[in-house]
Amino acid sequence: DGGITQSPKYLFRKEGQNVTLSCEQNLNHDAMYWYRQDPGQGLRLIYYSQIVNDFQKGDIAEGYSVSREKKESFPLTVTSAQKNPTAFYLCASSIGVGGETQYFGPGTRLLVL
Amino acid sequence: DQQVKQNSPSLSVQEGRISILNCDYTNSMFDYFLWYKKYPAEGPTFLISISSIKDKNEDGRFTVFLNKSAKHLSLHIVPSQPGDSAVYFCAARTSGTYKYIFGTGTRLKVLA
Repeated sequence: DGGITQSPKYLFRKEGQNVTLSCEQNLNHDAMYWYRQDPGQGLRLIYYSQIVNDFQKGDIAEGYSVSREKKESFPLTVTSAQKNPTAFYLCASSIGVGGETQYFGPGTRLLVL
Repeated sequence: DQQVKQNSPSLSVQEGRISILNCDYTNSMFDYFLWYKKYPAEGPTFLISISSIKDKNEDGRFTVFLNKSAKHLSLHIVPSQPGDSAVYFCAARTSGTYKYIFGTGTRLKVLA
């Protein structure tokens, strides 16, 4: 069963703590993305990766970091520098060049304690 | 600068009638458009897409219309069903790029 998985479903962060959100896909897609959704807003791009060992900043990359060591995995770290991390985080993937449609995971809701 | 706009935050429609969701864009370089449906606390699911070389694409109850001169696209759902109640996002991209720009979404409520 191909798809994108995100874990955990809910994540709590304490002040000054870094947390990492997991995203795994078995669709053999080259490109992966992280978005943030806030209430009443659209999806805003944090980071994206076109291929293994390469990634690019999106529109709101400050306070976040990513890695792409494997094709299947694109973890997102929310660092202590991100002052307003409470949001719904969505991971997506697409085939890559020529792949027009993005497929999304179920999301992770991050809450600050 | 919001390049993709969905000016109606919400829409209510009676079951069986047509739902029309609208999306406007400002970047004339956009050449591929998608509609996604999203339920609360879930990821968006792809519904339908359209390339700028077409002005209409149909898939079952869903039809997307593109008016390039007006930089406007719309999603028609006919007939609307209660299960269609969700938030609908339009998104746009330029060929050769990896960035998709999303609108803010329209919450559709289909009344039984």
